[in-house]
Amino acid sequence: GAVVSQHPSRVICKSGTSVKIECRSLDFQATTMFWYRQFPKQSLMLMATSNEGSKATYEQGVEKDKFLINHASLTLSTLTVTSAHPEDSSFYICSARVNGMETQYFGPGTRLLVL
Amino acid sequence: SQKIEQNSEALNIQEGKTATLTCNYTNYSPAYLQWYRQDPGRGPVFLLLIRENEKEKRKERLKVTFDTTLKQSLFHITASQPADSATYLCAFSGGYQKVTFGTGTKLQVIP
Repeated sequence: GAVVSQHPSRVICKSGTSVKIECRSLDFQATTMFWYRQFPKQSLMLMATSNEGSKATYEQGVEKDKFLINHASLTLSTLTVTSAHPEDSSFYICSARVNGMETQYFGPGTRLLVL
Repeated sequence: SQKIEQNSEALNIQEGKTATLTCNYTNYSPAYLQWYRQDPGRGPVFLLLIRENEKEKRKERLKVTFDTTLKQSLFHITASQPADSATYLCAFSGGYQKVTFGTGTKLQVIP
């Protein structure tokens, strides 16, 4: 149980384009989903917390107009990297939390490369 | 500010021995402390959660301790196997709040 999927697993795009990453909880409902970014040999950095049906809460230093988050249902959250630039290249990971529980279940991650 | 520290140096251990990883935190009193395993290019996988009022938690070959006086958690893998080689992350949280992760310790179990 508690499986989270992400799509796509890898994406290469040109600078200036937008990329959408999907995060789905497959066998449970997640009122809260989280988006992280991880650079090589570094820890996970929380970008934003997404609650179903409401606006996402962004961490300090994360541009909400650049990283658009939508959590339209209890099983799906999306992250759109708008006007991507090479410095946005990173490993993006989502996680979902079962309502009332403390543990987060992570997706397999999406490797984004912006050329 | 809140800080969570793990030994950034890799830990090399012989197969069959017990691996012990350390996680220290400052300027915080977490209600929960969690350990995750992360393989290269993959998302973290939840292993164990321990609450502030628990001193020890076990799951198969894994054991976690939580010392709120020392502000430290120890993560043990007994009878380690090469398949245990991965990066292990500790994370703390305080009751449905965001989770803060450490930088992780890379464990290499040598056959």
